[in-house]
Amino acid sequence: SQTIHQWPATLVQPVGSPLSLECTVEGTSNPNLYWYRQAAGRGLQLLFYSVGIGQISSEVPQNLSASRPQDRQFILSSKKLLLSDSGFYLCAWSASGRRSGNTIYFGEGSWLTVV
Amino acid sequence: GQQLNQSPQSMFIQEGEDVSMNCTSSSIFNTWLWYKQDPGEGPVLLIALYKAGELTSNGRLTAQFGITRKDSFLNISASIPSDVGIYFCAVGAGNTPLVFGKGTRLSVIA
Repeated sequence: SQTIHQWPATLVQPVGSPLSLECTVEGTSNPNLYWYRQAAGRGLQLLFYSVGIGQISSEVPQNLSASRPQDRQFILSSKKLLLSDSGFYLCAWSASGRRSGNTIYFGEGSWLTVV
Repeated sequence: GQQLNQSPQSMFIQEGEDVSMNCTSSSIFNTWLWYKQDPGEGPVLLIALYKAGELTSNGRLTAQFGITRKDSFLNISASIPSDVGIYFCAVGAGNTPLVFGKGTRLSVIA
């Protein structure tokens, strides 16, 4: 069966420091990968998605970037964090393909607090 | 961009009551999904609907894909305390990323 894991689960970082959140998927190949952000108690905002290695689509201009160095690895980064980057970050995957690609499955989430 | 209207935004109900929430869109979609998010965790898929008019149950949960392909509802029967959380609807078309509603926050009073 497929599993998705992201880390760290919780992070407290000072303003201006770098960020790296990692996500890996097991049990499937060539998945679509996603990074979402959720402000406290709010909806899900799609940040980035990737349909293959090195292919990244950005949904909103921001202080963050994403990379996909391997088929099942997705990394969310920042060179200098802002207070507004605080939130709950969720990695997700879906199977590639026309219909199966619609259903996505989320990781456990990473809480980021920028102080 | 595409938007979903999900309502109600929040609900406070007594344990044992039935719950109903819905999503509407201005565009047609061929996939409707319902997720539940427990506090501090990632959303979990509850029900997936792929056919207009489809009615699907998962235990105490029932969801329907509207015949116009522009709406869906989720019902929860005989609510229990563990039903607490945020419920999201999501829509998809082709292989593009899902669009999520803003969520319905459900609180159950024992």
